[in-house]
Amino acid sequence: GQQVMQIPQYQHVQEGEDFTTYCNSSTTLSNIQWYKQRPGGHPVFLIQLVKSGEVKKQKRLTFQFGEAKKNSSLHITATQTTDVGTYFCAEVNTDKLIFGTGTRLQVFP
Amino acid sequence: SQTIHQWPATLVQPVGSPLSLECTVEGTSNPNLYWYRQAAGRGLQLLFYSVGIGQISSEVPQNLSASRPQDRQFILSSKKLLLSDSGFYLCASYFRTEAFFGQGTRLTVV
Repeated sequence: GQQVMQIPQYQHVQEGEDFTTYCNSSTTLSNIQWYKQRPGGHPVFLIQLVKSGEVKKQKRLTFQFGEAKKNSSLHITATQTTDVGTYFCAEVNTDKLIFGTGTRLQVFP
Repeated sequence: SQTIHQWPATLVQPVGSPLSLECTVEGTSNPNLYWYRQAAGRGLQLLFYSVGIGQISSEVPQNLSASRPQDRQFILSSKKLLLSDSGFYLCASYFRTEAFFGQGTRLTVV
C-alpha cells in the first residue's frame, strides 16, 4: 500500500542548531504538504509543494520537493524552542490525505 | 479559513460501551472529511474519509464506523469499545489545498 516514511523519527538539537527531516515515498507523489503538531495539539498546515524540484521558504524554514517527486525535505535554520513539535509530511491522493510517520523535534535551550 | 468543532476534548469510557464522536465544519461547503487516530507519540492513522453526504471510505478494518449525515457533519461511532481503541482522535476537513483539524478527542478506554 501507499507509504510515506519520514526520517529521523526523533531529533534532539541544541537551540541554534539546524534541523532537517526527510520524507520518502515508494511511489511518485502528486504533491506534498507539511504540517506541524505542537505537543498536545493538532496538526497545523505549513505549506504545499507541487512542482518537481520546487523550493519554498518561510522565514527559517526551507521546504524542498525532489526532482523525481518521490521525496521532500524540511530544513529549519537556527532552531528555537518554539520549533518543538512533530513535523509531518502528507500527500493528497485520490481524495485520501495520507500522513508520513512524522519526526519529533526537541530543542534544548 | 475553516473552523472544525470537535467534542468532547477528553473521554473515559469502559470497555464494551458505545462511542459517538462528532465533528462539524464551518466556513466551507462540500469538503472532504477525515477521521484519524493517533497513538501517544506516534503518527496519524487514517480511519475513514468522506467526499460527500453518505459516502464513507474505510481504511482500516476495526470495530469503528463513520457516518456523514450532513455536508458538514462527520460522526465516528463504535457499538462496543475495546482497550485498543484508546488514543487521540482527530477530525480534519480538506478543501482545495490544505487540511484543517479539530482540537481532537483524547479517548481512554478502561
